[in-house]
Amino acid sequence: NAGVTQTPKFQVLKTGQSMTLQCAQDMNHEYMSWYRQDPGMGLRLIHYSVGAGITDQGEVPNGYNVSRSTTEDFPLRLLSAAPSQTSVYFCASSQGQGAYEQYFGPGTRLTVT
Amino acid sequence: AQKVTQAQTEISVVEKEDVTLDCVYETRDTTYYLFWYKQPPSGELVFLIRRNSFDEQNEISGRYSWNFQKSTSSFNFTITASQVVDSAVYFCALSEASAGNMLTFGGGTRLMVKP
Repeated sequence: NAGVTQTPKFQVLKTGQSMTLQCAQDMNHEYMSWYRQDPGMGLRLIHYSVGAGITDQGEVPNGYNVSRSTTEDFPLRLLSAAPSQTSVYFCASSQGQGAYEQYFGPGTRLTVT
Repeated sequence: AQKVTQAQTEISVVEKEDVTLDCVYETRDTTYYLFWYKQPPSGELVFLIRRNSFDEQNEISGRYSWNFQKSTSSFNFTITASQVVDSAVYFCALSEASAGNMLTFGGGTRLMVKP
């Protein structure tokens, strides 16, 4: 099993550009989520999904869109990149919410200039 | 107010010293889950332990041990005889039903173990 994969590993965008961060998992997990990691703030939840076709907002959803058309994939779209979105982005999956450990992807380091 | 507080932003120890990483949480739920994750310099996040709110037994796994005290809302992590490979950022996290079972992370503690 590859676990949770993310592409790209690094990305530089100009302000106003849009892009999609890809996330895929091969563990048949229902629950998937996106976090951003900023210095001193830990990881903050952007969006999550409890199954194909179902998504919801986390703590910091503004400026991001998600969709979940399959169990395996959970892409994160930046609509119009801003310097405040410079961060490391992690995708995670788990069998469910609450008690279940989350498996994290390797992360995408995004810089917006 | 932060739901999960890791007051120690950075700790530096010399190899073989014992070190405790503090985690204090805040919740009104009676059922909740606490986690510790490790982020080594390579950047990935590694699950270490999960505790549910009904199980206050301390846990030991090799050189790692965890002390869960509901009375003080703390879930501290101790590394005994630290090694250079323990150098990492450690995150404490809380999952509570009233917050949709979303995982809320503390700010992390960077542990540096010097040879």
